Parts: sequence; structure tokens; C-alpha cells
Amino acid sequence: GNSVTQMEGPVTLSEEAFLTINCTYTATGYPSLFWYVQYPGEGLQLLLKATKADDKGSNKGFEATYRKETTSFHLEKGSVQVSDSAVYFCALSDPYGGATNKLIFGTGTLLAVQP
Amino acid sequence: DTAVSQTPKYLVTQMGNDKSIKCEQNLGHDTMYWYKQDSKKFLKIMFSYNNKELIINETVPNRFSPKSPDKAHLNLHINSLELGDSAVYFCASSPRATGVSYEQYFGPGTRLTVT
Repeated sequence: GNSVTQMEGPVTLSEEAFLTINCTYTATGYPSLFWYVQYPGEGLQLLLKATKADDKGSNKGFEATYRKETTSFHLEKGSVQVSDSAVYFCALSDPYGGATNKLIFGTGTLLAVQP
Repeated sequence: DTAVSQTPKYLVTQMGNDKSIKCEQNLGHDTMYWYKQDSKKFLKIMFSYNNKELIINETVPNRFSPKSPDKAHLNLHINSLELGDSAVYFCASSPRATGVSYEQYFGPGTRLTVT
């Protein structure tokens, strides 16, 4: 079945460092891809999305490009801040019996940014 | 205004008890979901309703029963609670069930602890 694989954390960076969190997927068809962020004690928030190959999603300085040839959707940010410390989830939408979609999540990557 | 709200935020109970978690969304969405997040932060869908109709029912023990009185509400009732039910349960909603680009909006979560 469809699945998402994320790099294991935790990822620990100093403020202003460059961030990459790897995400690869396995899917039939053409799923949409998402990055969600979960701040401590909160629910998930959509960070960015891409709906077709070569689309680039971006938000709050984060970017990810839908690469069909490498089945990847890596998350990047040029300069992280302490406030970016959170768990980041890669997800794909999985058509479910043709009637609806469900999200399949990766295992999450904890990012800790130190001042 | 809270878009997706859940009550209670914390729930501590003993094995064998029956409990309910409530979810409400004021986004006017047609589709609602329940997810379970385990202690390792892994997220998995449990159920989904579209306009009060059950459309996703993953392999979940039948002790778990969702109920949707209207499209703005989706409750989760759990009978005969077990230690393994301890987790954070997230409610989510999306504009509609189909359409690969529709992201989901998550509630703040309910942390269930079974002792």
C-alpha cells in the first residue's frame, strides 16, 4: 500500500542553520503531498502542500518540492529559529476505495533549535 | 474562534470504563475524521464521516464507535477501555471527502490515559 518514510529525529540545530528533513513516499497514482507541524501540546497545523509533480509548496520560509522521479518531498528552510522547534510530519493523501481521501503520515521528525 | 475543538483536553480513567470524546468544527466542512497518535507520535486514521455518513472505517476494535449527529459534530465513544487505548486522539475536518488537494484541519487533541 501507499506509505511515507521520514528521516528519524531528533534533529538538533543551532539558530540560523539550514534545515533539511527528508521525506520519500510510495504511492500508486498521483497523491497530494503535505507537511504538517505539531508544536508542543498542540494539534497539527498544515505547513505547506503540493498537489502535482514539480509543484513547490512554501510557507513561513519553509519549502518543499514534489519530485516524482525521486518520489520525494523534502522539507527545507534556509535559517531556522528557536520558534521552529516542533515535530514535522510528512503526509500523502491516499484515495480510499475511490470515494474519499485519507492522509497517510510519516513517523514525524522532532526538530530542536538551540539559541 | 476555534475552528476544530475537542472536549475534554485530558481524560484519565480506569480500565473497563466507558468514555466519550466530543469534536465540533465551525468551518462549514462536510468531512470529519478521528486519528490516534501513539506514544511515539505515530498518527493513524481511525474513522471518517462525510455529511453524517461513515466513509472510512479502519481496522479498529469495535469497542470504538463514532457518532455524527450532524456534519459539524463527530463524537468518539470507547467501551471497556484498555491500557493500550492510552494515546492522544485528534479530530480533524476537511471541506469535502474527495479532491486530492483538500487539506485537513486538526483539533488540539484529547490525551487519554487509562490506568
